[in-house]
Amino acid sequence: NAGVTQTPKFQVLKTGQSMTLQCAQDMNHEYMSWYRQDPGMGLRLIHYSVGAGITDQGEVPNGYNVSRSTTEDFPLRLLSAAPSQTSVYFCASSETDRVFIYGYTFGSGTRLTVV
Amino acid sequence: TQLLEQSPQFLSIQEGENLTVYCNSSSVFSSLQWYRQEPGEGPVLLVTVVTGGEVKKLKRLTFQFGDARKDSSLHITAAQPGDTGLYLCAGVAGANNLFFGTGTRLTVIP
Repeated sequence: NAGVTQTPKFQVLKTGQSMTLQCAQDMNHEYMSWYRQDPGMGLRLIHYSVGAGITDQGEVPNGYNVSRSTTEDFPLRLLSAAPSQTSVYFCASSETDRVFIYGYTFGSGTRLTVV
Repeated sequence: TQLLEQSPQFLSIQEGENLTVYCNSSSVFSSLQWYRQEPGEGPVLLVTVVTGGEVKKLKRLTFQFGDARKDSSLHITAAQPGDTGLYLCAGVAGANNLFFGTGTRLTVIP
């Protein structure tokens, strides 16, 4: 089925460990983004990309890195995990300049716990 | 950051009741979207409203965009247990940027 695939679904990390959250879409969407969702705070934008080779920071980028080498993939890297990064992470995609009408397609999320 | 406040934060009602949830901001948006999110899943788009004052109906759900394009409401008629979920509004600013509200968690009790 076409859509956005995120892996893993669940992850527990120790403080200071690094890891990569994977995101892939098969809809040929140019725009991709990463959000984190915390209780009472809604979805906050971490990083986004408008196409292969182009990334930019969102509202809460500190502690995270991204790269976009292909249209399909947009991994999110946690450099040195901290308890404040405990959250649910969502990857989303859209046709560029179509968000206005069609919104985002979201993955099913990665629930990350940092102990 | 363009803040979108949603109210109420939590709502628990009996099956068959009507309800309205609100989404308010001090910012103007080019369009506003409503998403529904179920446990363990990502948000799914319900509707986009574009024009100030616009009203859209999706079966028992009625969405309205404020005249000044700063606020919106979602009204559900005769709520059913299947309506249970987290309702998120999101304002579109610029070509691709979505700013999400804090969400209303709705529980419909059979």
